[in-house]
Amino acid sequence: GAVVSQHPSWVICKSGTSVKIECRSLDFQATTMFWYRQFPKQSLMLMATSNEGSKATYEQGVEKDKFLINHASLTLSTLTVTSAHPEDSSFYICSARFLEYEQYFGPGTRLTVT
Amino acid sequence: AQKVTQAQTEISVVEKEDVTLDCVYETRDTTYYLFWYKQPPSGELVFLIRRNSFDEQNEISGRYSWNFQKSTSSFNFTITASQVVDSAVYFCALREIFGGSNYKLTFGKGTLLTVNP
Repeated sequence: GAVVSQHPSWVICKSGTSVKIECRSLDFQATTMFWYRQFPKQSLMLMATSNEGSKATYEQGVEKDKFLINHASLTLSTLTVTSAHPEDSSFYICSARFLEYEQYFGPGTRLTVT
Repeated sequence: AQKVTQAQTEISVVEKEDVTLDCVYETRDTTYYLFWYKQPPSGELVFLIRRNSFDEQNEISGRYSWNFQKSTSSFNFTITASQVVDSAVYFCALREIFGGSNYKLTFGKGTLLTVNP
């Protein structure tokens, strides 16, 4: 199957700082990328969907100014958590898809804000 | 709106027991995909199966089997002769096929399966 990578796999940052998470599709062109957040012992919650070259579409309740998503190329999307706070600590998972075909998931990034 | 319900929050079994994870879904679409994913402690989602709504045949893959019942909107997953390595959170998910440009996946809340030696 296709491969999606995320970097970093884990990150610790101080409250008030910003952190960027990268998501790459390694062997296919990702026309659509998805960002999910997963709190401990909970399900994956979709944060936003981005199509290459377009602005991301955020789910209700997700602050677009806090979670900046850029999908500038067909193989790379970034999620920037701005002015992170401890409540932003979570497991962030990206997913990528080419057109309407199968959706592949990255390994996730564990963010801890101290 | 789509909805996936996994009523079992946690299941604990002893190795070699069979275990069935339930999944019930709601959708207005007549065409859709159903999925099962495994999430081990490492966190990475592992794809297990995708089922098209037109295909109601049950499927078996080794110790895994899936029972798709469109009449009851259920897509249950059975592990036969469970092993400790099967311990993980299992998610059922639904995706519409023609319902929109982004074809979003809707996940259930997951079932934590613990297989004890």
